[in-house]
Amino acid sequence: KNEVEQSPQNLTAQEGEFITINCSYSVGISALHWLQQHPGGGIVSLFMLSSGKKKHGRLIATINIQEKHSSLHITASHPRDSAVYICAVRRNTGNQFYFGTGTSLTVIP
Amino acid sequence: DGGITQSPKYLFRKEGQNVTLSCEQNLNHDAMYWYRQDPGQGLRLIYYSQIVNDFQKGDIAEGYSVSREKKESFPLTVTSAQKNPTAFYLCASSRLDRGSNQPQHFGDGTRLSIL
Repeated sequence: KNEVEQSPQNLTAQEGEFITINCSYSVGISALHWLQQHPGGGIVSLFMLSSGKKKHGRLIATINIQEKHSSLHITASHPRDSAVYICAVRRNTGNQFYFGTGTSLTVIP
Repeated sequence: DGGITQSPKYLFRKEGQNVTLSCEQNLNHDAMYWYRQDPGQGLRLIYYSQIVNDFQKGDIAEGYSVSREKKESFPLTVTSAQKNPTAFYLCASSRLDRGSNQPQHFGDGTRLSIL
């Protein structure tokens, strides 16, 4: 069983919709990382958080340590948001990250 | 601009051949990582290094080798012992400040295929 589970696996939305992507994990962590992977393959870091909530533009990430759950929200979605969104956790022992399988988002104009 | 450079973008390997993927960073990061990405799976760690001349095996190190002779460089060799090398390979780096969580920065990846 993977330590990091994401849902949904695939998501299609109309432009302007509010989007939520979920990440659950089963191990103790020191931090959680949200990443964005575009069709070309390169990966960009969106958020690194260990508690509470972070906001950057139209993106919001929250984490609930007690429930071992994080969400990534996109407000007023746009076709350029189409990408694969990946959740990764750093365990509280060691320096390695463990990755979810990603959520593929398509935003239709 | 600081960043991570991976080369080549596409690479083809013949049976029985070793190939080396390049990863260079100018972010002055101590830690560097190699991941493999296959369809439908999360990134899996091949090797990582926290300091020059030292590196540790990740979850899927068999059939791969690395070196860390310089802080900026962490090349990955896919050897002929790796029977299923076709995948997308990503290099990453991060700082190692104690007591803080440093994000990983990624290169654009190398796509390796078998001829």
